[in-house]
Amino acid sequence: SQTIHQWPATLVQPVGSPLSLECTVEGTSNPNLYWYRQAAGRGLQLLFYSVGIGQISSEVPQNLSASRPQDRQFILSSKKLLLSDSGFYLCAWSPLSGAGYEQFFGPGTRLTVL
Amino acid sequence: SQKIEQNSEALNIQEGKTATLTCNYTNYSPAYLQWYRQDPGRGPVFLLLIRENEKEKRKERLKVTFDTTLKQSLFHITASQPADSATYLCALDTGGSYIPTFGRGTSLIVHP
Repeated sequence: SQTIHQWPATLVQPVGSPLSLECTVEGTSNPNLYWYRQAAGRGLQLLFYSVGIGQISSEVPQNLSASRPQDRQFILSSKKLLLSDSGFYLCAWSPLSGAGYEQFFGPGTRLTVL
Repeated sequence: SQKIEQNSEALNIQEGKTATLTCNYTNYSPAYLQWYRQDPGRGPVFLLLIRENEKEKRKERLKVTFDTTLKQSLFHITASQPADSATYLCALDTGGSYIPTFGRGTSLIVHP
């Protein structure tokens, strides 16, 4: 069966510090991968998605970036965090099977920027 | 512009009753619609998918309807239980895109 891991679970970082969040998927090949952010009381905002190694599409211009160095690894980064980067970050994967594209989410990372 | 609307007010119901949540959309022609459940501090969990040519889909105590004329989906939980308390999100995409757009979700609170 497929599983998705995210770490760390919680993170408190000062403004201006770098960020690296990692997501890995097990039990599937060639998944579509996604990074979302969910601010308190808000909906899911799609940040990046990837259909393959090295292929990243950005949905929202900001000081975040994403990379996919391996088929089942997706990394979210920032060189300098802003207060507005605080939120709940979710990684998700979906199979490109044509069957329906349901998404499977990781446990999330709660980021607080102080 | 495209919009997905879910009731922002929490839905409070008594245990054993049927909960009905609504998802309305504008300026979309979705090939299918999905419903997810999200518990506090957790990632959403996929529940059901219904395609544009399907009127209704069921899974255990869950039922989803999809009316492309009204541009609306209804999500029903029959014989609701306190454990059903969570936020429920609807999501739409079109067949050519593998990226669903999510509504903000509606909080359901089932009282014992």
